[in-house]
Amino acid sequence: QQQVKQSPQSLIVQKGGISIINCAYENTAFDYFPWYQQFPGKGPALLIAIRPDVSEKKEGRFTISFNKSAKQFSLHIMDSQPGDSATYFCAASRSSSNTGKLIFGQGTTLQVKP
Amino acid sequence: ETGVTQTPRHLVMGMTNKKSLKCEQHLGHNAMYWYKQSAKKPLELMFVYSLEERVENNSVPSRFSPECPNSSHLFLHLHTLQPEDSALYLCASSPDRGLGGYTFGSGTRLTVV
Repeated sequence: QQQVKQSPQSLIVQKGGISIINCAYENTAFDYFPWYQQFPGKGPALLIAIRPDVSEKKEGRFTISFNKSAKQFSLHIMDSQPGDSATYFCAASRSSSNTGKLIFGQGTTLQVKP
Repeated sequence: ETGVTQTPRHLVMGMTNKKSLKCEQHLGHNAMYWYKQSAKKPLELMFVYSLEERVENNSVPSRFSPECPNSSHLFLHLHTLQPEDSALYLCASSPDRGLGGYTFGSGTRLTVV
C-alpha cells in the first residue's frame, strides 16, 4: 500500500527524443506527486510536482501526466538533451500526514545520447 | 547550494569509530529528514523531525542516533557501524509536514571499513 513502483530502471534516448518514465501507486490517500532529478554527487532536486485535481502539468520541456483512476503518473521529457542525463525519482505523499513523508520510487537512470 | 548544507561530504570510518554527520538549513523549514541512499535501492527514510520533535523512526538500528537541537540543525551520530551501512546519507527539509516539497542537501558519502 505504501509502495511507489517506477519503471523503467534505466532508459537511453537520443538527443531530441522524448523520455518517458512511469510510476504507479496503491494508496489512494496520496495527494502530492513530485518528481526529483539527481545528478552524480548531488542530492535530488525537485523538478516538477502535481496534485490529483489536474491531469497534466507542464513546465518547459517537462510534463507530468496523471491518471487518477489508474493510479499512475508519468514524466515526459520533450526534446531530451544530454544535460538531462541523470537519475529521476517519482514520489508520493499525503498532505494529511503528520510527517510529510515522501515515498520514493526506485529511480530511473536516464542517458541522453548526443 | 540548495540551502541545505551537509558536512562532511565524504567520510571513511572504521567499525569501532564514532562520528557525526551534520545538516544545516536556513530556509525557515519546520521539518527535517534523514534518508539513506544505497546503490540500486530506493531512497530509504530513516528519521523525521518536525519542529525539533522526532515524529518517525523507520526501524533504524540503534547504531544510528539522530539529534535535532533546533529547527535549523540536524545531526546523525554514528557508532559501531557495519560495512553494509556504507551509503550516501541525505538530509532534507520541507516547509511543513504533509506538504512535500523537500529540499535535499548534497549528502555525505559514508564508507565503513
